[in-house]
Amino acid sequence: GENVEQHPSTLSVQEGDSAVIKCTYSDSASNYFPWYKQELGKGPQLIIDIRSNVGEKKDQRIAVTLNKTAKHFSLHITETQPEDSAVYFCAASGTASKLTFGTGTRLQVTL
Amino acid sequence: DGGITQSPKYLFRKEGQNVTLSCEQNLNHDAMYWYRQDPGQGLRLIYYSQIVNDFQKGDIAEGYSVSREKKESFPLTVTSAQKNPTAFYLCASSIGGLGNTIYFGEGSWLTVV
Repeated sequence: GENVEQHPSTLSVQEGDSAVIKCTYSDSASNYFPWYKQELGKGPQLIIDIRSNVGEKKDQRIAVTLNKTAKHFSLHITETQPEDSAVYFCAASGTASKLTFGTGTRLQVTL
Repeated sequence: DGGITQSPKYLFRKEGQNVTLSCEQNLNHDAMYWYRQDPGQGLRLIYYSQIVNDFQKGDIAEGYSVSREKKESFPLTVTSAQKNPTAFYLCASSIGGLGNTIYFGEGSWLTVV
């Protein structure tokens, strides 16, 4: 089955700096890669996703890149703000296969 | 408002008791899911249902049961057979089945006392 590894487990950045979270996956058939943001005590919220026919996708300060050859994908947050502080999860799935999640990255944006 | 509603938000259970967590969605999604979240771990799939009256086990189904009698409802029962039930439980849904974007509810905290 699919295995997703996520790094780092914690990340502290100063406000205004960029943050990068990386994930690797094992199943070369995986073709859908969403990212979720989870605030304390709440359910995860989808923030961006990418499918394997695209190498990069941007949405304002958030971008995701995908390298299918190396089987890794990354989340980039620019100009970080205190409200970006949360736990971020990556996930991967193939057609008709379940979504497998990484173990999460706790991002703290300091003033 | 459209969305996924989980209840209760907090639930305490005595050892040996069964408890049922409610999940309702008004998004007209076909598929629904239950995940368990423990500290320091990712989300693990308990059960999923792609259509009414049908459901499949996920990775950690032992000690849990579900039903899908209506499209909008997917309750999860945590039975006394679940050895370590204290966790945060998340219900989710998607338009299509596996491999499609899934959306989560706000979660339910279950504590065994």
